[in-house]
Amino acid sequence: GDSVTQMEGPVTLSEEAFLTINCTYTATGYPSLFWYVQYPGEGLQLLLKATKADDKGSNKGFEATYRKETTSFHLEKGSVQVSDSAVYFCALYGGATNKLIFGTGTLLAVQP
Amino acid sequence: EAQVTQNPRYLITVTGKKLTVTCSQNMNHEYMSWYRQDPGLGLRQIYYSMNVEVTDKGDVPEGYKVSRKEKRNFPLILESPSPNQTSLYFCASSFSGGFGNQPQHFGDGTRLSIL
Repeated sequence: GDSVTQMEGPVTLSEEAFLTINCTYTATGYPSLFWYVQYPGEGLQLLLKATKADDKGSNKGFEATYRKETTSFHLEKGSVQVSDSAVYFCALYGGATNKLIFGTGTLLAVQP
Repeated sequence: EAQVTQNPRYLITVTGKKLTVTCSQNMNHEYMSWYRQDPGLGLRQIYYSMNVEVTDKGDVPEGYKVSRKEKRNFPLILESPSPNQTSLYFCASSFSGGFGNQPQHFGDGTRLSIL
């Protein structure tokens, strides 16, 4: 069945460091891919999305490119801030099932 | 302001005592869903509803009930809660079940502890 695998955390970085959080997926058909962010004590918020191969989603300095050949959707940011500390979830929709499937989440901790 | 509102935000209760977690959205969304979030497991879907009076099981429906009598409300019911239902619960909504262009809006979560 459809699934999402993302790197385990926590990921601990210093402010202004480069961030990569890996995400790979397994799905039939052509799913849409998403990154959600969960700040402490809050619900999930959509961070960015890509709906077809080679699309690049971007928001708040974060980017992710839909790579069909490697079935990946890695999240990157050139210079993280303390305020980026949160849990990041990779998700897909539109494979074999009519639902949003989440990865297990990656905790990012950015230190000043 | 567009929002998904869950109540209560926190609840500690005992095994077997029926409880209901309410969820309401003010965006006229057709699709609503419940998830539970557990460490190391991410978010797992409990139930979803494509529209009024239409509900279906997600990945982990056992021990839960839902109803969708009105478009804006989608309560989650635990008829006889057990300790393994201790978790963080999220309600979400979107304009339709096709998420390609419609992000899901999430509530702030309900933390349930079943003793």
